Amino acid sequence: DAGITQSPRHKVTETGTPVTLRCHQTENHRYMYWYRQDPGHGLRLIHYSYGVKDTDKGEVSDGYSVSRSKTEDFLLTLESATSSQTSVYFCAIRGRNNGYTFGSGTRLTVV
Amino acid sequence: QKEVEQNSGPLSVPEGAIASLNCTYSDRGSQSFFWYRQYSGKSPELIMSIYSNGDQEDGRFTAQLNKASQYVSLLIRDSQPSDSATYLCAVNIANTAYNTDKLIFGTGTRLQVFP
Repeated sequence: DAGITQSPRHKVTETGTPVTLRCHQTENHRYMYWYRQDPGHGLRLIHYSYGVKDTDKGEVSDGYSVSRSKTEDFLLTLESATSSQTSVYFCAIRGRNNGYTFGSGTRLTVV
Repeated sequence: QKEVEQNSGPLSVPEGAIASLNCTYSDRGSQSFFWYRQYSGKSPELIMSIYSNGDQEDGRFTAQLNKASQYVSLLIRDSQPSDSATYLCAVNIANTAYNTDKLIFGTGTRLQVFP
């Protein structure tokens, strides 16, 4: 999908453990985004990055942190996973015409 | 008030009919508007972009924008069962402090096209 991959695709973790999701892109895009998708809420922005080491919060950033130490990788960390963070997580890059291209998603279950 | 609002549906239309999907947004400064299609269990896929008032057509899809009314719509002509999916409206929100922007999504409208 337009050079964007997410890992892992599926993960089950226990409450209280830290979890890191990875987004990798091969097209040198400056802007990268993390969204979560839940029934009834649609896609909600967690954090985004507008360059290496440049990040900003989105609508639902509490309990999440991000890092971008190089252009191609944008990491999302759940510092201490909770059941409310069970969700599908999508990474996106901003391409031409400002439209976003999404990765395949990570389905995270916190038990 | 949510920044981007859509009717959750489902919107059911017969095969061959026109499906009309609507979206309203709250930020008057928004300049870019998008429609995404999402099949169950898949990631969102960009199908239409629109930046100025009026209509933007691409095949069977027409996006319509009315900035005065803060209203965006998507028309799907000759609807097919394969069009059955959730359609997400997205609006670009500028962050002037950092000279960046972000895309805010509506909750999506589920479309069902029946044979």
